[in-house]
Amino acid sequence: GEDVEQSLFLSVREGDSSVINCTYTDSSSTYLYWYKQEPGAGLQLLTYIFSNMDMKQDQRLTVLLNKKDKHLSLRIADTQTGDSAIYFCAESLSGGYQKVTFGTGTKLQVIP
Amino acid sequence: DGGITQSPKYLFRKEGQNVTLSCEQNLNHDAMYWYRQDPGQGLRLIYYSQIVNDFQKGDIAEGYSVSREKKESFPLTVTSAQKNPTAFYLCASSIPSGRRTGELFFGEGSRLTVL
Repeated sequence: GEDVEQSLFLSVREGDSSVINCTYTDSSSTYLYWYKQEPGAGLQLLTYIFSNMDMKQDQRLTVLLNKKDKHLSLRIADTQTGDSAIYFCAESLSGGYQKVTFGTGTKLQVIP
Repeated sequence: DGGITQSPKYLFRKEGQNVTLSCEQNLNHDAMYWYRQDPGQGLRLIYYSQIVNDFQKGDIAEGYSVSREKKESFPLTVTSAQKNPTAFYLCASSIPSGRRTGELFFGEGSRLTVL
């Protein structure tokens, strides 16, 4: 079955880079996503990567995908206090219904 | 602006009472979902609906019920049979897979507390 794992907590200093890691088990995943959740709010898509890609960069965000190890990471350059949130890794499987499996979420704390 | 509206944002319930959470979207999306979020457990799928008048159970459907009478609306009822209903509930919608990247659009959530 599908399982997505993340560490629960990460603390970094403002201006440093943050790296949030995720491992998944289903090799048939089509898309892998990173969602951001601010306190008391819903989730918003930050970025996604298609399973045939190794890397995707979008401004301060860099996503790396290692399909062999089923490992996904999100790097946030020049981390700001506004980046403090919970970050969810998610995978979607092929099929007509958009079944998405979410990780447990990593709470990022940015220290000024 | 297009989006998903959940109400109420906060809700308190006594044990033994049913409660209904509202979810409305004006994105013209076909698919809608309900997730439950508990600390340290991520999001777990309760129910989903791909089209009007059709819905399927997710991973944790016991003690919940839904309806999909209109494309825009997907209300969730938390029944008295749900043993541990205190949680943060999130509604989402999406365009069916195969047409886009499968991005889920979320509402702001409803926090239910059972007293």
